Amino acid sequence: DAKTTQPNSMESNEEEPVHLPCNHSTISGTDYIHWYRQLPSQGPEYVIHGLTSNVNNRMASLAIAEDRKSSTLILHRATLRDAAVYYCILRGSRSGNTGKLIFGQGTTLQVKP
Amino acid sequence: EAQVTQNPRYLITVTGKKLTVTCSQNMNHEYMSWYRQDPGLGLRQIYYSMNVEVTDKGDVPEGYKVSRKEKRNFPLILESPSPNQTSLYFCASSFDRNTLNTEAFFGQGTRLTVV
Repeated sequence: DAKTTQPNSMESNEEEPVHLPCNHSTISGTDYIHWYRQLPSQGPEYVIHGLTSNVNNRMASLAIAEDRKSSTLILHRATLRDAAVYYCILRGSRSGNTGKLIFGQGTTLQVKP
Repeated sequence: EAQVTQNPRYLITVTGKKLTVTCSQNMNHEYMSWYRQDPGLGLRQIYYSMNVEVTDKGDVPEGYKVSRKEKRNFPLILESPSPNQTSLYFCASSFDRNTLNTEAFFGQGTRLTVV
């Protein structure tokens, strides 16, 4: 399985943008880049995903490097409710169990008021 | 509202006493799975199911059983729980295993303590 690398932790101030990086240098051409987050005492929650082009939704934006070896999750205005562990996950078709999500350690985001 | 519902949310039990954690989804998803989350080890898949009557082992299946008699339900069964199964458990579902560009939905979690 392709591996992702994320910083262990990041800090942000409330109402400022946050850029959460993810490196995935061994990504294959058919791997989708997914982001999930886990708020304290809750289950993981889908944030956004993409393949090659940048993506926007109501929660965040996903910027994907041209060579696809890295990506950045962008929270445009962080709120205290965005404090969570953010996971960058590659979903590919190498194995039969393509529904499985492989969670790394993620990035713990702290948002200061 | 689209959701995955787990019960119970919290459970304390004794070693060897059989228990079942239920999971139900209302989205007609084909793929369902169970994860456990432990400090320092992250989330690891226990079992998964690609459709009714189709189940398979994930990464850490020892000590667990599952069944998929109906599309919406995927219970996790611990026949003889042991203290090393003390963990936080999550059920998840997604449309199907072949669709890489859809999201997975997770339940709220079940915190199990085996004493």
